[in-house]
Amino acid sequence: QQQVKQSPQSLIVQKGGISIINCAYENTAFDYFPWYQQFPGKGPALLIAIRPDVSEKKEGRFTISFNKSAKQFSLHIMDSQPGDSATYFCAASMDAGNMLTFGGGTRLMVKP
Amino acid sequence: ETGVTQTPRHLVMGMTNKKSLKCEQHLGHNAMYWYKQSAKKPLELMFVYSLEERVENNSVPSRFSPECPNSSHLFLHLHTLQPEDSALYLCASSQGRGQGYEQYFGPGTRLTVT
Repeated sequence: QQQVKQSPQSLIVQKGGISIINCAYENTAFDYFPWYQQFPGKGPALLIAIRPDVSEKKEGRFTISFNKSAKQFSLHIMDSQPGDSATYFCAASMDAGNMLTFGGGTRLMVKP
Repeated sequence: ETGVTQTPRHLVMGMTNKKSLKCEQHLGHNAMYWYKQSAKKPLELMFVYSLEERVENNSVPSRFSPECPNSSHLFLHLHTLQPEDSALYLCASSQGRGQGYEQYFGPGTRLTVT
């Protein structure tokens, strides 16, 4: 059973556009929602994370929007650049330990 | 070397072989993890070690055997694998096991089982 569903699987955006990736979760005990960025040949790296006590978190061009009642959260990449082309993973975890449940990933391509 | 390193980067093995994957972290962290990344499945947590003690085993088949001799090194011993075990195996480490402790990933070992 996949507890975190991510969409779309792939995304093509023009340079300067907005990239939007969505995730939905089932387990209401999840209370930490990070996003990871993975370039080819590299491991995932933490990009930005949010807790459910806020509805939005922004770091530079990257914003997480969180909707607790809908059990959904999304990543927005403003002014997308070719260097943002990578695979993005959402994840979720509960308070105890550090066990992350990952979404299936979104392969983003930003065209020049 | 900095961060989390993994060797080998690529491995091809037959189903009857025995091989080991190695992970080393140079960050002074206390927790280490093994993940499996398959093409058609989400990233899956396999094992968690905290202070060299295994604290999580996520229903992984016994043909995968982890070993953590010290807080800087983590091994994954492989034997009699199946073709469906072909995947990217990622190692990660974190300073602690609670939330807020970011996991740092290595580049992975691409395993192909023939």
